[in-house]
Amino acid sequence: DAGVIQSPRHEVTEMGQEVTLRCKPISGHNSLFWYRQTMMRGLELLIYFNNNVPIDDSGMPEDRFSAKMPNASFSTLKIQPSEPRDSAVYFCASSLADRGWNGYTFGSGTRLTVV
Amino acid sequence: AQSVTQLGSHVSVSEGALVLLRCNYSSSVPPYLFWYVQYPNQGLQLLLKYTSAATLVKGINGFEAEFKKSETSFHLTKPSAHMSDAAEYFCAVSRETASKLTFGTGTRLQVTL
Repeated sequence: DAGVIQSPRHEVTEMGQEVTLRCKPISGHNSLFWYRQTMMRGLELLIYFNNNVPIDDSGMPEDRFSAKMPNASFSTLKIQPSEPRDSAVYFCASSLADRGWNGYTFGSGTRLTVV
Repeated sequence: AQSVTQLGSHVSVSEGALVLLRCNYSSSVPPYLFWYVQYPNQGLQLLLKYTSAATLVKGINGFEAEFKKSETSFHLTKPSAHMSDAAEYFCAVSRETASKLTFGTGTRLQVTL
């Protein structure tokens, strides 16, 4: 299994530009999570989906952030317009709810720098 | 709501010494507890998990953790540190299968010669 795949690995963009982060979860997993990691705030859950349906988006910082999961194998996190304070590492993770739950499998992250 | 507290944002040990990373949780129901490790420029990897089957849980790379309900703790230990153990370690808790995990603030482990 290739694991959770995120793209791009690094993104540098100018303030005001739209940024789209992509995630392919592990095949068969039915939950998907987007996290943001910064030195100041640590790991923050932004949003999560069960069976492609957004369940909790209370962590999304503001309306500039949006996430979609059009099917079981793909999700996007979009920031429009981007701001320097959005600079962080964004992680996607997926999970399968079963009796032997192993928590989440994380992707390698996308390091976003907004200048 | 459940939460975890990791005592000590930085821990330094000598190679070969005991590693002890502390995690205390608060949960109104028997929780799922996890330890994850994050190496530089990588995502988080599962080290071990507690799901009520046994109080002493063994994980990868020689790590283990003991669930102590009376102390609401789930400390991570390793008898002998190796240089390759240098990383950031996160404790996490959840009440339900595949529900959202609440992570601690992390402990950065430094291993010195």
